[in-house]
Amino acid sequence: DAGVTQSPTHLIKTRGQQVTLRCSPKSGHDTVSWYQQALGQGPQFIFQYYEEEERQRGNFPDRFSGHQFPNYSSELNVNALLLGDSALYLCASSLAGRGSKNIQYFGAGTRLSVL
Amino acid sequence: GDSVTQMEGPVTLSEEAFLTINCTYTATGYPSLFWYVQYPGEGLQLLLKATKADDKGSNKGFEATYRKETTSFHLEKGSVQVSDSAVYFCALSLKTSYDKVIFGPGTSLSVIP
Repeated sequence: DAGVTQSPTHLIKTRGQQVTLRCSPKSGHDTVSWYQQALGQGPQFIFQYYEEEERQRGNFPDRFSGHQFPNYSSELNVNALLLGDSALYLCASSLAGRGSKNIQYFGAGTRLSVL
Repeated sequence: GDSVTQMEGPVTLSEEAFLTINCTYTATGYPSLFWYVQYPGEGLQLLLKATKADDKGSNKGFEATYRKETTSFHLEKGSVQVSDSAVYFCALSLKTSYDKVIFGPGTSLSVIP
């Protein structure tokens, strides 16, 4: 049973560029959430996708956008990159519904460096 | 708003010492509580969880009890090993927020032989 997979593992971009990160959820999961983890800090919630729509959003600017596909995989897009966007980006998947056990499973992350 | 506070690190212990990492939370409602662990250069792994008051989560010798009266979820282990060196995150989630996870700042643990 494959867990949450993210690609690429590492990425280097320059200021002003755009980047796309990808995530495949754990088998059987239908909800994908994205988090940003700056160095030495706890992860911060960016947004969550369910049924191909953004269901909830954290305190991040519109430069951060996403998409969920019919197979539940997801992309995170960041436009006009800033140096401060350098971080580990984590994807988490879960199963929606009252019967779920509130558990999100995390991938290994994509480390983005903006130069 | 909903938040998690945990003891500041870094924490350095000798092998076989007793570990406690304090965690308290603020939440509107009845959260589920978690401890996640992050080994160097890796993503987050769920270490243990508790979904209601007085539940005890346990895994790999680690334990934490959901204390509603003190809004706490302290992590303990009786005898740490060098392989336990990692960053530990206390976290909560709420069904009313579609299970998004709110993390504490993390506590770095180093275990020396």
